[in-house]
Amino acid sequence: GQQLNQSPQSMFIQEGEDVSMNCTSSSIFNTWLWYKQDPGEGPVLLIALYKAGELTSNGRLTAQFGITRKDSFLNISASIPSDVGIYFCAGQYFRGGSEKLVFGKGTKLTVNP
Amino acid sequence: DSGVTQTPKHLITATGQRVTLRCSPRSGDLSVYWYQQSLDQGLQFLIQYYNGEERAKGNILERFSAQQFPDLHSELNLSSLELGDSALYFCASSVGQGASTDTQYFGPGTRLTVL
Repeated sequence: GQQLNQSPQSMFIQEGEDVSMNCTSSSIFNTWLWYKQDPGEGPVLLIALYKAGELTSNGRLTAQFGITRKDSFLNISASIPSDVGIYFCAGQYFRGGSEKLVFGKGTKLTVNP
Repeated sequence: DSGVTQTPKHLITATGQRVTLRCSPRSGDLSVYWYQQSLDQGLQFLIQYYNGEERAKGNILERFSAQQFPDLHSELNLSSLELGDSALYFCASSVGQGASTDTQYFGPGTRLTVL
């Protein structure tokens, strides 16, 4: 099946630093999504990307849909303590008559004040 | 708050037992999705229902089943529970059938512990 390789697995940064994480796959996706999950909560959608090459921003977050449709990255600028959490990429693809969503294993972000 | 509600928040049970997890989608959403999140497997798609009908199936075990009722709430039934079934179970909902532009909104999850 489709698999996503998300890296890095974890990051420890200082407040104010920029962060970059990415997801790659050998498969093509129709949509790339980035979610953030806080402890004990469900994933919350941050950014959705629908076209190859698309670059989208949401406040301090910027994400891009790779031109090959096989990868995506998420950047967070000027990190703050509340950015702490686990970030997941997800790719959507069509198989067996329906759209399916597959998730990366997540990037755990720790921000030191 | 995503608007998706799940009950119970925590569930502790023994091996061999059967449990039912409940999900109410956001108002107006017709699709409900179930996911399992474990430490080693990450988030895995289990099954999707759209307007009462099964729409897509993922890595769902035969011991697990789900249904969506006329009021659009959904239940996930887990039977003959094993230790490895301990995980967070998330429900998500979306407006449509799951098209590439159909955003899924996640509930807070049910943490299942099988002892």
